[in-house]
Amino acid sequence: DGGITQSPKYLFRKEGQNVTLSCEQNLNHDAMYWYRQDPGQGLRLIYYSQIVNDFQKGDIAEGYSVSREKKESFPLTVTSAQKNPTAFYLCARSRANTNPIYFGEGSWLTVV
Amino acid sequence: GENVEQHPSTLSVQEGDSAVIKCTYSDSASNYFPWYKQELGKGPQLIIDIRSNVGEKKDQRIAVTLNKTAKHFSLHITETQPEDSAVYFCAASPNFGNEKLTFGTGTRLTIIP
Repeated sequence: DGGITQSPKYLFRKEGQNVTLSCEQNLNHDAMYWYRQDPGQGLRLIYYSQIVNDFQKGDIAEGYSVSREKKESFPLTVTSAQKNPTAFYLCARSRANTNPIYFGEGSWLTVV
Repeated sequence: GENVEQHPSTLSVQEGDSAVIKCTYSDSASNYFPWYKQELGKGPQLIIDIRSNVGEKKDQRIAVTLNKTAKHFSLHITETQPEDSAVYFCAASPNFGNEKLTFGTGTRLTIIP
């Protein structure tokens, strides 16, 4: 798993619901990231965290929220305010914010 | 901000031939250039990266070249094999943080047996 685990792999959400995607890493890395991937597009940064209890917005943070209460965990909540949430979501880790990024296996979110 | 363009969007090569994917970037401050391989339904895997203080880096059948003056970098895969079939992404960032890492739109590489 490359030291990072995402769950669930597939998730279906009804209109108006919030859903939370889990991301856990076991390598004691400081930095964690959430990206969104849409078909035919590159990866876009949603949120990132360089240290426990601190996180920053990325390029497309609207409609998303995160927390970093523990070093190993960085869950992403897709809120009902996210107008087009259907996508492939990728969590990633790096030793520090200037080190190479390594991705998890991703979570597919579909709105039904 | 940074803009990364990647070409071609699709590429088919005969098994055993070489494949080349090219990326251009706009921000002269960018100095870190990773390449990722993504298989269907999986997360991207870092396969090679290069920093701007070197012009070329090799790892077995994979190499990356960087031309800072022209602001472009390329991925070269030699002796291609069926397992090389995947989508490849380039990216670029300045040294002061991964939050500035900008990805290309990907190249779907198909190896024809």
